Amino acid sequence: GAVVSQHPSWVICKSGTSVKIECRSLDFQATTMFWYRQFPKQSLMLMATSNEGSKATYEQGVEKDKFLINHASLTLSTLTVTSAHPEDSSFYICSARDAGGGTNEQFFGPGTRLTVL
Amino acid sequence: AQSVSQHNHHVILSEAASLELGCNYSYGGTVNLFWYVQYPGQHLQLLLKYFSGDPLVKGIKGFEAEFIKSKFSFNLRKPSVQWSDTAEYFCAVNPSGGYNKLIFGAGTRLAVHP
Repeated sequence: GAVVSQHPSWVICKSGTSVKIECRSLDFQATTMFWYRQFPKQSLMLMATSNEGSKATYEQGVEKDKFLINHASLTLSTLTVTSAHPEDSSFYICSARDAGGGTNEQFFGPGTRLTVL
Repeated sequence: AQSVSQHNHHVILSEAASLELGCNYSYGGTVNLFWYVQYPGQHLQLLLKYFSGDPLVKGIKGFEAEFIKSKFSFNLRKPSVQWSDTAEYFCAVNPSGGYNKLIFGAGTRLAVHP
């Protein structure tokens, strides 16, 4: 149980286009999901906290108009990288918090590798 | 600045050797502490966590960690590593309690040779 999926697993796009990444909790409901970014050989950096039915909370330095987050249901959050540029190339990882599990543990998705040409 | 520091970026061990990975944090007040592991090609998995109580925490696969409040440390240990422990290990801190936002250390890449 407690599986989180991400789609796509990798994507290549041209500069200036937008890319949508999906994060799904497959067997539990997640009122809160988190989006992280990981650069090569570096740690995960929290970008934003996504709350179902409300606006996401962005970390300092993260452009909310560039990284659009939508958490429309208890099992799905999406991250849209708008007008992507090469510097947006990175590994994007989501996690989902199982609020109904009693432990509020975060479960991580496998990540999405974005390459912007 | 508030941060989570992992001292060892790369560790190479032979099977059966003992392991200790350091983690220090600079947040004051109540914190919750975690160690995650990422095996090659897989997603992050929780190894163990500390919320309160016994500062010596036992996790999965024979791992344990000790919370030393006075040293702001939460070091990960395993008495005898196996080849299958080859992975990247991340220490993480939740400064506000619970399973809310996590601040990760830079990670330690462990390679275990048979």
